[in-house]
Amino acid sequence: KQEVTQIPAALSVPEGENLVLNCSFTDSAIYNLQWFRQDPGKGLTSLLLIQSSQREQTSGRLNASLDKSSGRSTLYIAASQPGDSATYLCAVSNQAGTALIFGKGTTLSVSS
Amino acid sequence: NAGVTQTPKFQVLKTGQSMTLQCAQDMNHNSMYWYRQDPGMGLRLIYYSASEGTTDKGEVPNGYNVSRLNKREFSLRLESAAPSQTSVYFCATSGGGREQYFGPGTRLTVT
Repeated sequence: KQEVTQIPAALSVPEGENLVLNCSFTDSAIYNLQWFRQDPGKGLTSLLLIQSSQREQTSGRLNASLDKSSGRSTLYIAASQPGDSATYLCAVSNQAGTALIFGKGTTLSVSS
Repeated sequence: NAGVTQTPKFQVLKTGQSMTLQCAQDMNHNSMYWYRQDPGMGLRLIYYSASEGTTDKGEVPNGYNVSRLNKREFSLRLESAAPSQTSVYFCATSGGGREQYFGPGTRLTVT
């Protein structure tokens, strides 16, 4: 059974710092991996999708990498800002069109 | 483009009452999903529909039923609500094995 783990559960950094959020999964036979952002009391916003054949994806200050063989993904946030404060969720799907399996998230707090 | 919409946004039920959560999408996606989110448990799949006319159970289907009314709409029904069903419910869609897009959620309290 696929399991997704995110470490750390919470992270506090000062504004301007570069940071890395970690995601690991137990079964390397994934179809894709998706990173989301969730603000308190809100829905999930998709940040980046990495297909299993890809090694990384970039969007603005965000860069996500994927190492299938080791069962790991990282989300790199450059020059963090207070507006980046949120919970970041990692999720994998094992087949096309099937549901996502989520980690429990990393709650990020960026202080000004 | 509204994307994924859910109604209602909030609901309070008494134990034993029934209700239907509605989800609609205008993204022309084939696949639709219902998840619940609980503190400490993360998001878990209740039911999903890979295409119009099909539905399958997810990780936590007990106490729920679903209907894929057409390509746009996927509803979740609680026949006899229990306090354990207090949660935030999210509907999501995807097309072609690509990104999943989530609705804003329904916050349900069962007393």
